[in-house]
Amino acid sequence: DAGITQSPRHKVTETGTPVTLRCHQTENHRYMYWYRQDPGHGLRLIHYSYGVKDTDKGEVSDGYSVSRSKTEDFLLTLESATSSQTSVYFCAISTSGGGNEQFFGPGTRLTVL
Amino acid sequence: AQSVTQPDIHITVSEGASLELRCNYSYGATPYLFWYVQSPGQGLQLLLKYFSGDTLVQGIKGFEAEFKRSQSSFNLRKPSVHWSDAAEYFCDVGARSNTGKLIFGQGTTLQVKP
Repeated sequence: DAGITQSPRHKVTETGTPVTLRCHQTENHRYMYWYRQDPGHGLRLIHYSYGVKDTDKGEVSDGYSVSRSKTEDFLLTLESATSSQTSVYFCAISTSGGGNEQFFGPGTRLTVL
Repeated sequence: AQSVTQPDIHITVSEGASLELRCNYSYGATPYLFWYVQSPGQGLQLLLKYFSGDTLVQGIKGFEAEFKRSQSSFNLRKPSVHWSDAAEYFCDVGARSNTGKLIFGQGTTLQVKP
């Protein structure tokens, strides 16, 4: 299995609080992605990174920010969590863009009350 | 705009029966195409992918998929389903660009009856 970990694995928080999810890889892959998974929607891309300090928005980026200060870590921050951000969040990594396989982490289940 | 449609939200088949999961995509050119599988409570695992060349692609666990350009389809098949195949299956479209961004279908949940 690709070396991808996500922390925390489960989190319950209250509306309006900041939340940071961490994705850590040991594969030295250049590309990292954050997705959210909701019933009936499959996975939707939130943000992605194509190198250290190089990030871009996905299709559902509103309310989320990301940072990548090191190759191995990609952080997803909800500045002020809302109930609509209750979801399962997956991190993925890839050696490059252009159709290479993405390897997925185990996911983080976030509940915003 | 790119999009992926998996018409069947839920499918139930008997163990040993054949399986076909449908996938249709919308894209301006020939995209990269993928099928991923997600077992309950797990992350996603790549089953197979199509980049170019032979339109019939073989994957892991006995799965195959056929790219049909004229129908904009990339259906997943397996000749004999095992109980362990019960999972959620996602068809994805990847842009032929350096971003590697994927557009996921809504997913098809497969239930296998004994």
